[in-house]
Amino acid sequence: DAGVIQSPRHEVTEMGQEVTLRCKPISGHNSLFWYRQTMMRGLELLIYFNNNVPIDDSGMPEDRFSAKMPNASFSTLKIQPSEPRDSAVYFCASSLRAGAYNEQFFGPGTRLTVL
Amino acid sequence: QKEVEQDPGPLSVPEGAIVSLNCTYSNSAFQYFMWYRQYSRKGPELLMYTYSSGNKEDGRFTAQVDKSSKYISLFIRDSQPSDSATYLCAMSNQDNYGQNFVFGPGTRLSVLP
Repeated sequence: DAGVIQSPRHEVTEMGQEVTLRCKPISGHNSLFWYRQTMMRGLELLIYFNNNVPIDDSGMPEDRFSAKMPNASFSTLKIQPSEPRDSAVYFCASSLRAGAYNEQFFGPGTRLTVL
Repeated sequence: QKEVEQDPGPLSVPEGAIVSLNCTYSNSAFQYFMWYRQYSRKGPELLMYTYSSGNKEDGRFTAQVDKSSKYISLFIRDSQPSDSATYLCAMSNQDNYGQNFVFGPGTRLSVLP
């Protein structure tokens, strides 16, 4: 199994540009999560989907952030317009089902730098 | 006060030492407690999961939860250089994820050969 796949691995962009991060969860997993990790704030849950439906997006920092999951094998996290404070590592994770007792498998992350 | 606190380290120990990693929390409703290990430039991976209070052992790793003190610990016996990583605690007060699923900031551990 290839695990959770994220692309790109690194992204450098200028303030004001649109950024799209992509995630392919593990096949057969029904829950997908987007996290952001920074030194200051640690690992924060942004949004999670269950069966392709967004369940809780209360962690999304503001309207500039949006996430979609058009099918069970693909999700995107979009930032428009990007700002320097969005610089962070963004992780996607998936689990077989929702629930704290179901192990989340994390992807390698996308390291985003906004200049 | 942050909801989950963890000493950021770095913590350096010699190979073979017993390591104790700890988290304190403020939300008494937390019932699900997890420890994740994160190697440099990698995503976190689940190490241990505990529900409510008590101990759980898995090989060289032991997780303890003391809900009365709002304190959880991860012990690593016979530590190895391969244990060098950042350890994150995580907790939740419900079965589902959401805004109540909180990670600690992580403790960076170095095990020296």
